[in-house]
Amino acid sequence: AQSVTQPDIHITVSEGASLELRCNYSYGATPYLFWYVQSPGQGLQLLLKYFSGDTLVQGIKGFEAEFKRSQSSFNLRKPSVHWSDAAEYFCAVGASSTRYGGSQGNLIFGKGTKLSVKP
Amino acid sequence: EAGVTQFPSHSVIEKGQTVTLRCDPISGHDNLYWYRRVMGKEIKFLLHFVKESKQDESGMPNNRFLAERTGGTYSTLKVQPAELEDSGVYFCASSQETRDRGYYGYTFGSGTRLTVV
Repeated sequence: AQSVTQPDIHITVSEGASLELRCNYSYGATPYLFWYVQSPGQGLQLLLKYFSGDTLVQGIKGFEAEFKRSQSSFNLRKPSVHWSDAAEYFCAVGASSTRYGGSQGNLIFGKGTKLSVKP
Repeated sequence: EAGVTQFPSHSVIEKGQTVTLRCDPISGHDNLYWYRRVMGKEIKFLLHFVKESKQDESGMPNNRFLAERTGGTYSTLKVQPAELEDSGVYFCASSQETRDRGYYGYTFGSGTRLTVV
């Protein structure tokens, strides 16, 4: 069965510092991979996604993520964090093949990482 | 292009009452999904419509939850009777049917925060 692990529940970084949020997945093939952000009182906004091709994916708001097949990881990075980045971040996977289980179109989410930014 | 619209944005009801949540998907999106996040837990899939048909309802927690999608357009999720553990944020998403196994153009609404007291 598919699963997603975000090992860090809460991370605090200083404004201007770099950021890396970890995400590991379990799936029999390369899944579809997503990062979403939820700011307080807002919905889920897609930051970036990986379906195939170049393993370094650029997203909105200066975020990027790198798919590493050997590590089953899809970590999210940003070189310099801004106070407005304080939010909760979710990694999610989708089933890319019926051969390896999972229903078409459904997403499995990690538990989320809450990011706080110090001035 | 209008996004996925959900309403109400917030609902506070008493235990035992009925609540109906509504989701309007992006026009032309055949796939419609419901998810929810209860306090402190991960966002979990509830069910998936393709047009007006239920494709997968394996995530529906129990028979107090009833989802419909009239004419393949908007969808409603009714909770009857509501229990305390139903409190959480209910998200709707929609996507195009044919591309990338339903993940193409996947868009979430802003959610409905349901509080059962």
